[in-house]
Amino acid sequence: EPEVTQTPSHQVTQMGQEVILRCVPISNHLYFYWYRQILGQKVEFLVSFYNNEISEKSEIFDDQFSVERPDGSNFTLKIRSTKLEDSAMYFCASNSERTFNEKLFFGSGTQLSVL
Amino acid sequence: DQQVKQNSPSLSVQEGRISILNCDYTNSMFDYFLWYKKYPAEGPTFLISISSIKDKNEDGRFTVFLNKSAKHLSLHIVPSQPGDSAVYFCAASAGPNYGGSQGNLIFGKGTKLSVKP
Repeated sequence: EPEVTQTPSHQVTQMGQEVILRCVPISNHLYFYWYRQILGQKVEFLVSFYNNEISEKSEIFDDQFSVERPDGSNFTLKIRSTKLEDSAMYFCASNSERTFNEKLFFGSGTQLSVL
Repeated sequence: DQQVKQNSPSLSVQEGRISILNCDYTNSMFDYFLWYKKYPAEGPTFLISISSIKDKNEDGRFTVFLNKSAKHLSLHIVPSQPGDSAVYFCAASAGPNYGGSQGNLIFGKGTKLSVKP
């Protein structure tokens, strides 16, 4: 079965550094998302992306965050200057249908640790 | 602001018995509900969903019940198997007519289910 892949699985960085989290969505999917889960907290929506632009972003997704689909396969999340509170598991997700039957396919996540 | 609440952080059941996971929500605009299962070191995997126009949806051993008046849904697993041991997330979304948007799911904090052999 096709799956969403994310790299790296773990990322350790120093506060203030830039990080790029990478995702390869399922090949025929058109809608892409980033979610995150801080340890012990709920999974939270960050941003949705369609047709090479952001469709919606949450309050968490401030100016330090950006997303890009640099080629036909990758979907990236960049954090420009990381903060301690950015430490979390970041999940990429995708789906193919423009419906509100929201079956999203999630990757295994990137555990980001900001020191 | 917990729009979706899973008040039991953990649940332990015996193999072969029924597992009942509960979820409450506060936003009456939610019209679609999902359950995701998550194993360690993996992402959430879709399990089953239900539209607000229904009160029950069944898929094999998994049944989701929706009580709109009580703003409550539950996931029943019968019979429970050790492989069902995982964290179960309840999630909800609101359609476009109710301020929702594509892919913006509101998750609960999850319930860790342990099925003992």
